[in-house]
Amino acid sequence: GVTQSPTHLIKTRGQQVTLRCSSQSGHNTVSWYQQALGQGPQFIFQYYREEENGRGNFPPRFSGLQFPNDSSELNVNALELDDSALYLCASSPSGGSTDTQYFGPGTRLTVL
Amino acid sequence: AQSVTQLDSQVPVFEEAPVELRCNYSSSVSVYLFWYVQYPNQGLQLLLKYLSGSTLVKSINGFEAEFNKSQTSFHLRKPSVHISDTAEYFCAVTRGSTLGRLYFGRGTQLTVWP
Repeated sequence: GVTQSPTHLIKTRGQQVTLRCSSQSGHNTVSWYQQALGQGPQFIFQYYREEENGRGNFPPRFSGLQFPNDSSELNVNALELDDSALYLCASSPSGGSTDTQYFGPGTRLTVL
Repeated sequence: AQSVTQLDSQVPVFEEAPVELRCNYSSSVSVYLFWYVQYPNQGLQLLLKYLSGSTLVKSINGFEAEFNKSQTSFHLRKPSVHISDTAEYFCAVTRGSTLGRLYFGRGTQLTVWP
């Protein structure tokens, strides 16, 4: 399945953070979502074969990387209080709109 | 733009009672529809999805949803719920294009009481 690390993270405003995800074997697409408390997940971006394939309404301080070994990262610079949320990664076989996306358990980020 | 509306933020029911979780969407293009379930401290799991064909789709654990194009709805139903169905349920859509970007509703917390 899809795994994410760390489970929980506490940072202060202005710091930088890196979240990690390991996709399901054989999946070449990873998507990242932000889930604020009491809200549904919001699409951040998608990576397909190591290139950004689409982006939601998030500023450039949100960036990502996808590696050939089924792992990926979400980086957030200059953290703000509103970045506190559950961050979910999801992998899928091809990233198409009919694909089932398989979600990890998430990383809970708290910004103080 | 796409939007998904889940009309009920919380639905409390007793065990063995029927339940309906409502979902409406707005889109100017064709969409694919999904229901995901999130148990406490876990990621989202696909419950069922509608892509094409029969408008009634079913999951392996007794849930079903019906795509209604005229009412732009995809309500989730179960005739008899169990305590283990207690979870957060999210309705989501993707556009009929190549990018699998999910647009989620705000979620409905289903709580089943004994």
